[in-house]
Amino acid sequence: DAKTTQPPSMDCAEGRAANLPCNHSTISGNEYVYWYRQIHSQGPQYIIHGLKNNETNEMASLIITEDRKSSTLILPHATLRDTAVYYCIVRGPIYNQGGKLIFGQGTELSVKP
Amino acid sequence: DAGVIQSPRHEVTEMGQEVTLRCKPISGHNSLFWYRQTMMRGLELLIYFNNNVPIDDSGMPEDRFSAKMPNASFSTLKIQPSEPRDSAVYFCASSLRVLPEETQYFGPGTRLLVL
Repeated sequence: DAKTTQPPSMDCAEGRAANLPCNHSTISGNEYVYWYRQIHSQGPQYIIHGLKNNETNEMASLIITEDRKSSTLILPHATLRDTAVYYCIVRGPIYNQGGKLIFGQGTELSVKP
Repeated sequence: DAGVIQSPRHEVTEMGQEVTLRCKPISGHNSLFWYRQTMMRGLELLIYFNNNVPIDDSGMPEDRFSAKMPNASFSTLKIQPSEPRDSAVYFCASSLRVLPEETQYFGPGTRLLVL
């Protein structure tokens, strides 16, 4: 069972920041938060991951709350090519299925001109 | 870097036929994963290997499905005999190691249609 809750869909205007929330209220201290996205008909694409600290890379920023019970993926300047399903995934240690990515239903982000 | 390579990209077959899907992981990656995606069930893990050894096959739906990894650069997923309900997109992914801090990189998928 997925351990995350995401809104099923969101809209964002092109050029604006897209903020995608994820609730993971049962997360444990040694579990990572991962974000992937899947553009239609393509394989899932890795975006970013974090444990406790906020993270930033060339694609996005990940903001994790201090209690780690929720996080937000930020796409700073959304483009039409960012239209995709975004998955927030919690990954535990290897002895607790940490090898697996367990995908939920994700958030379908539509970026509109 | 070529990324994860899967073949064929599309496969159409008739019920009862054997289907073999192929995957070449990223060079140097020691872990390989097979996923399946359907509208009904979403993305689900079927099996994964570490250093060519199957670690967890609890997601394999039934005995008709089998997976092998004869060496570090090649894996197959076989369905025999195939059924219409096996129609799905099958993804292969690889990572350096089977650890939660290691990123999995996905291939483009094989779209299977069983008539």
